[in-house]
Amino acid sequence: DADVTQTPRNRITKTGKRIMLECSQTKGHDRMYWYRQDPGLGLRLIYYSFDVKDINKGEISDGYSVSRQAQAKFSLSLESAIPNQTALYFCATSVRGQGSDTQYFGPGTRLTVL
Amino acid sequence: AQKITQTQPGMFVQEKEAVTLDCTYDTSDPSYGLFWYKQPSSGEMIFLIYQGSYDQQNATEGRYSLNFQKARKSANLVISASQLGDSAMYFCAMREGVMLLQGFQKLVFGTGTRLLVSP
Repeated sequence: DADVTQTPRNRITKTGKRIMLECSQTKGHDRMYWYRQDPGLGLRLIYYSFDVKDINKGEISDGYSVSRQAQAKFSLSLESAIPNQTALYFCATSVRGQGSDTQYFGPGTRLTVL
Repeated sequence: AQKITQTQPGMFVQEKEAVTLDCTYDTSDPSYGLFWYKQPSSGEMIFLIYQGSYDQQNATEGRYSLNFQKARKSANLVISASQLGDSAMYFCAMREGVMLLQGFQKLVFGTGTRLLVSP
């Protein structure tokens, strides 16, 4: 089984709908992240969380919210989806105390907003 | 200024040959880490290799090695004995302040290089 899972893997929705993307991990990592990937723009950080009670905005948090339900679960919500939120979304995890703080990514969720 | 620059949009290599993917970076922080990730056409991001700025030796992981030239601020990925399954996008990334035990420095990605391995 994959260490970092994301559901759904693909989603098509309409403008104005509320969408939740879910991430679960079995790596035992305390840090979790949400990124979006757009062609030509690379990966950009949306939110990050160092533990259940520590959630922080990344560089592009407008239009998004998150919830850290447990150490292993981190959800991303689009309150009212708009077409320019069409992108590939990644969840990632890392562990505090590891020198490199290497981030391990989930398989991604491809979201299309019509 | 770009923190991570990957100047090769695309690279071609024949199976079983070695290939080098270029990455240059810009930082004034003496403590940083460099990462390479692989993204196949299926979309997932796979961690390949890590090099810390204080590491004395170049990192190696199986067929992957990192040619780290600190003075030139380059961290090129070398893939030896290319395989068809190596065809993918490859991203170089950097995180400054890797020795910080508190606080956070985000991971900054380059725009990627698409590698195509031909039979």
